[in-house]
Amino acid sequence: EAGVAQSPRYKIIEKRQSVAFWCNPISGHATLYWYQQILGQGPKLLIQFQNNGVVDDSQLPKDRFSAERLKGVDSTLKIQPAKLEDSAVYLCASSLVLAGGRKETQYFGPGTRLLVL
Amino acid sequence: AQTVTQSQPEMSVQEAETVTLSCTYDTSENNYYLFWYKQPPSRQMILVIRQEAYKQQNATENRFSVNFQKAAKSFSLKISDSQLGDTAMYFCAFMKGTGFQKLVFGTGTRLLVSP
Repeated sequence: EAGVAQSPRYKIIEKRQSVAFWCNPISGHATLYWYQQILGQGPKLLIQFQNNGVVDDSQLPKDRFSAERLKGVDSTLKIQPAKLEDSAVYLCASSLVLAGGRKETQYFGPGTRLLVL
Repeated sequence: AQTVTQSQPEMSVQEAETVTLSCTYDTSENNYYLFWYKQPPSRQMILVIRQEAYKQQNATENRFSVNFQKAAKSFSLKISDSQLGDTAMYFCAFMKGTGFQKLVFGTGTRLLVSP
């Protein structure tokens, strides 16, 4: 079974530029997550989708970050304009949704390492 | 809000030895899940073990086991017979049992296994 795919793996941009990250979840996983992992910290959830709808974006800096999941499969996360403090690894994860409320394991992609100069 | 604390930034152990990584958490929830994730230098986060709070029995996965102390809000990870491939960052994480499936992570413990 293929895992969560992300691209690009690395990106270097200058502040005030725009950048976009792409994620393809595991086939059949209805829930998709974007996490931000700043160096020396644990990942922090930015946004969660179930199918193509947003269920939690409370920690997404909406003035500069946006995300979409058209057709409920692939997702893109965009930053416009980027700031120095956006330098981080952006992790995408996906999980199944099952009946009964059981929480399913999240499977992570390799991440995109962003450096903003 | 839930918080997860990992008080050991770095740990070292020799091959074949046993090491325990500590994790404490703070929550008012009664229904929740706890996880240990491993993040090797390649940065792919991998699930090591999970524990449902309603289960009294500690979870085990081969060489990995947890000591779940619900009253003390403690969730430590024991790695037995350490191997070089266990070298990685280890993150403890919390998830509420209801509502959104949001993982709250600790700051991680860097484990180095040496020959």
